[in-house]
Amino acid sequence: SQQGEEDPQALSIQEGENATMNCSYKTSINNLQWYRQNSGRGLVHLILIRSNEREKHSGRLRVTLDTSKKSSSLLITASRAADTASYFCATDANSGNTPLVFGKGTRLSVIA
Amino acid sequence: SQTIHQWPATLVQPVGSPLSLECTVEGTSNPNLYWYRQAAGRGLQLLFYSVGIGQISSEVPQNLSASRPQDRQFILSSKKLLLSDSGFYLCAWSTEFNQPQHFGDGTRLSIL
Repeated sequence: SQQGEEDPQALSIQEGENATMNCSYKTSINNLQWYRQNSGRGLVHLILIRSNEREKHSGRLRVTLDTSKKSSSLLITASRAADTASYFCATDANSGNTPLVFGKGTRLSVIA
Repeated sequence: SQTIHQWPATLVQPVGSPLSLECTVEGTSNPNLYWYRQAAGRGLQLLFYSVGIGQISSEVPQNLSASRPQDRQFILSSKKLLLSDSGFYLCAWSTEFNQPQHFGDGTRLSIL
């Protein structure tokens, strides 16, 4: 299995601070994706980073990918209370013929 | 634009009763479709996926089944619910396996 594993499981920070979440996976990938889930809702896709990319930005989100270490990080800068959610990484199969595998997620709490 | 509808939002069923959850997608053709279950505060468990009408792949043998009677309709069923079937059920679609998935708002299923 090439399940992504997020670290930490839970993170609590003050509003305005940066939040960093990490994801590790086991086998070769074509891309890695990050999703957000608000409580009681479906997941929302945030960003996709390809295996030949090292860093990607989207607004206050910054994602890095280190394929040599099989790891990725999601940085949320200047966090807001509205960023409170669970964040999941998902990896695809190098073959591209099986579904994404989601990690167990990091629960982020941003305290106002 | 594409949309995904999942209903009902909440459902309370007695043990041993049947189940039918429906998911429909609009604005796209021949999507990959997925059913997930999520225990409280936990990650996603992929239950079934489908790459076309009548094509169902099961990830975990259990008390549930899935069907895809139309291109953009995905149904999750059970003939007799168990207590362990309680959870948050999510439907999702994607254009291809390694592309972003788009989720419905989920069904909270409680078994009494």
